[in-house]
Amino acid sequence: QVQLVQSGAEVKKPGSSLKVSCRASGGTFSTTGINWVRQAPGQGLEWMGRIIPIFETPTYAQKFQGRVTITADESTNTAYMELSSLRSEDTAIYYCARGHYDGTGYYYWYFDIWGRGTLVTVSS
Amino acid sequence: EIVLTQSPGTLSLSPGERATLSCRAGQRISSGYLAWYQQKPGQAPRLLIHAISSRATGIPDRFSGSGSGTDFTLTISRLESEDFATYFCQQYDTSPWTFGQGTKVEIK
Repeated sequence: QVQLVQSGAEVKKPGSSLKVSCRASGGTFSTTGINWVRQAPGQGLEWMGRIIPIFETPTYAQKFQGRVTITADESTNTAYMELSSLRSEDTAIYYCARGHYDGTGYYYWYFDIWGRGTLVTVSS
Repeated sequence: EIVLTQSPGTLSLSPGERATLSCRAGQRISSGYLAWYQQKPGQAPRLLIHAISSRATGIPDRFSGSGSGTDFTLTISRLESEDFATYFCQQYDTSPWTFGQGTKVEIK
């Protein structure tokens, strides 16, 4: 059974950068579609981007283009999400979540496995 | 991007009652790529339904999804105590994938 284990909570200053990790245990990491979804306090869910390690090239939501970088390290089965130029509005729980892979080359971008989330607080 | 609007914002019901949650899309989701999630306080979302009506592994059959085009519904046939939570719909038809703002099902 695949599990996604995220790094711990962080407090950041406005203008700084953040890097959250998501380690996958079980399954085949190279074909796992790792997505990043955030949730501001008391708010809904917002998709930020995704990466499929075997293809390397990430896809980002336009809102975050230029500010987010998603990478994957196959040697450690870990995906990373880096967000720069942090502001108070970036205070949120950041989740990694797995998109569904049918095993024959097709991905369906609903999220069947989630990490427990990483709380990020941006405050001066 | 496809905007998803959920209604009502809050649903106050008693255990054993039927819950009907709505998700309306700003444009047609012709592929049928519409999912539903349940989220409890302090927890990550849990997948309930994908492809409009396919239950995820381990989801009880009191949860059902229906709809087409722009109008979709999640129905909980008889609410149990563990069902009181917030529910989100999500479309994965057109990038960026988007979520509704959620419907909270609370105990009346």
